[in-house]
Amino acid sequence: DVKVTQSSRYLVKRTGEKVFLECVQDMDHENMFWYRQDPGLGLRLIYFSYDVKMKEKGDIPEGYSVSREKKERFSLILESASTNQTSMYLCASRASGTSGRIALLKEQFFGPGTRLTVL
Amino acid sequence: QQQVKQSPQSLIVQKGGISIINCAYENTAFDYFPWYQQFPGKGPALLIAIRPDVSEKKEGRFTISFNKSAKQFSLHIMDSQPGDSATYFCAASILGSGNTGKLIFGQGTTLQVKP
Repeated sequence: DVKVTQSSRYLVKRTGEKVFLECVQDMDHENMFWYRQDPGLGLRLIYFSYDVKMKEKGDIPEGYSVSREKKERFSLILESASTNQTSMYLCASRASGTSGRIALLKEQFFGPGTRLTVL
Repeated sequence: QQQVKQSPQSLIVQKGGISIINCAYENTAFDYFPWYQQFPGKGPALLIAIRPDVSEKKEGRFTISFNKSAKQFSLHIMDSQPGDSATYFCAASILGSGNTGKLIFGQGTTLQVKP
C-alpha cells in the first residue's frame, strides 16, 4: 500500500514563527504536492515538485516555500507564520508517467493532513 | 477559467436514497475528472474518475455522469449508506505531455446519510 505520512497531525504556532511541515512517501513517487484545505474553498495547490530539487508554484504560493532534497521527502515552510495561514495542510504524491511523459492517469495519494493553528 | 464549481456545499440523504453532487467547469482543455472521498481525520482518496470520451462511468453504487456540451459532471451515489457519509471533492486536470496534470478541486460537499 502507498503510504504518505505527515510529521504532525496537529500543530500550534505563534505569529512570526518559522514553521516546517514534513511529508514522506514510501512509493518512490516522482511527484509530490502540498495543498491547503479550507471550508468552502476545497483544496488549493500551494506548491508541487516534479522530482528532487525541482519545484513549481501552485495557485497560492505566497507566504510559503518548499524543499525537496530527497525523493521521498517534501517539506513545506512557512517563513513567518501568520494567522491567515491557519488551515489543514495536505501532502500528496503521485507516480509520473514513463518515456518522459508526465501527467498520465496516475492517482494522487494523500497523507492524513496537519491541522495548523497560528495564534 | 481554471475554476471548478461544486454544489451543494452540504447534503443530507436518507439511507437507501440517491445522493447527487454536481460540478461545473469552464476550461474545455480539461480532460480528466476524478472524484475524491474524504473521511474525517483522513486525507482524500480517489473514488472514481472519468475521461470526456464517455458520458457515464459506473463503479458499484457510484456513477459519474458527464455532459461535455454543458461542461458539467456529477456524482451519483445509489442506495446511499451511512458509511458513505464523508466529504466529496470533484476535480479536473489536463493530462498529456507538457502538462503538469495538477488537479483543480471543487469546493467540496459534505454528505450525511441518515440511518
